[in-house]
Amino acid sequence: QKEVEQDPGPLSVPEGAIVSLNCTYSNSAFQYFMWYRQYSRKGPELLMYTYSSGNKEDGRFTAQVDKSSKYISLFIRDSQPSDSATYLCAMVSLTGGFKTIFGAGTRLFVKA
Amino acid sequence: GAVVSQHPSWVICKSGTSVKIECRSLDFQATTMFWYRQFPKQSLMLMATSNEGSKATYEQGVEKDKFLINHASLTLSTLTVTSAHPEDSSFYICSAPQAGVYNEQFFGPGTRLTVL
Repeated sequence: QKEVEQDPGPLSVPEGAIVSLNCTYSNSAFQYFMWYRQYSRKGPELLMYTYSSGNKEDGRFTAQVDKSSKYISLFIRDSQPSDSATYLCAMVSLTGGFKTIFGAGTRLFVKA
Repeated sequence: GAVVSQHPSWVICKSGTSVKIECRSLDFQATTMFWYRQFPKQSLMLMATSNEGSKATYEQGVEKDKFLINHASLTLSTLTVTSAHPEDSSFYICSAPQAGVYNEQFFGPGTRLTVL
């Protein structure tokens, strides 16, 4: 079983839709949870990070963490064609050298 | 946010040659940098942790003699792919956490390596 599971998609939505991206994890030692956006042939760009259960909002993006269920989500409101990218969840544990473990990434297409 | 650069952005080389990829933190110092490998439509796979002034730490299954890492200064880490073969063709990405804040890693733009 992978430490972090993420559906690779692709996920296709119409412009303006609410997008829900999710990851599950198995390692209880993960303390920091991040979402990265990666455009084709580019390095990942940090979107949001959280370290506690609950919601964190930043503009059109909301990150949600449920540590009891080992489940994290990223919601994108009023999705735009420019949001089309691969979204990777990532997690860091405070043990094991602070390594970041990435999900497989979900490819998102927002149609105009 | 902090900026991490990589050079070159893409490189094509013949099988058997060596290729050096540079990763620089432009506006901050990084005692630790990470090197990742990414195959098409797949996630990032951590190859090694580069530590300034000491040996790199390699992940299981990564050949340290093939992927040489040197962290020469607080702003520069290099990855040298020695005796490259077509199966080494991939997208190589480095990252650096700012001020030891490991949840805020900044990634370079990546280097696409094609070995003929």
